[in-house]
Amino acid sequence: QAQLAESGGGVVQPGRSLRLSCVASGFTVSFYGLHWVRQAPGKELEWVAVISYDGSNKYYADSVEGRFTISRDISKNTVYLQMNSLRAEDTGVYFCAGANWGKEYNGMDVWGQGTTVTVSS
Amino acid sequence: LVMTQSPATLSVSPGERATLSCRASQSISSNLAWYQHKPGQAPRLLIHGASTRATGIPVRFSGSGSGTDFTLTINNLQSEDFAVYYCQQYNHWPPYNFGQGTKLEIK
Repeated sequence: QAQLAESGGGVVQPGRSLRLSCVASGFTVSFYGLHWVRQAPGKELEWVAVISYDGSNKYYADSVEGRFTISRDISKNTVYLQMNSLRAEDTGVYFCAGANWGKEYNGMDVWGQGTTVTVSS
Repeated sequence: LVMTQSPATLSVSPGERATLSCRASQSISSNLAWYQHKPGQAPRLLIHGASTRATGIPVRFSGSGSGTDFTLTINNLQSEDFAVYYCQQYNHWPPYNFGQGTKLEIK
């Protein structure tokens, strides 16, 4: 059974950094596009970033472009989200999700339970 | 590209039908997905391709529409169906825009 498990959330001061991890089980990240989606308190889901199945393509939401970096380690079957220059508005629950890539995309059908990030002084 | 869902909140009695709407600011063909999200849980994919149920999704969930206007219909509402529902477009990506959600509550 395909599963994702996030970790790395916590409380961090504005301007500091945090790295989230997402470990996949039951499938290989090299066959799937992996996304990060977040939800600020009381707000809607917001797509954050995606890395392609082969790692050659990475895309970001305008709100995080230049501050966040998505990457992966195939040997660990893990995707990461490096978050730098954090702001209060980055606070929320961060989910990783898996989906087919590109024209084969048909929705995010594997999700983790989320990890909570709080940016506060 | 903006995805707009309506209504923001929908109150329906168990056993009845719920109709949720999603509108795209420009045509997205049939490249639309619907998700169900309950507090403290992971979102769950319900529909992709505007009308295709994801694996394991009950037949009481159905999607329709193309272009800019889409509908999620839930027949014979069960207690476990009360949640927030999001539409998401994947025709013009990135980004993979979500709507602002519709909260389906018990009447």
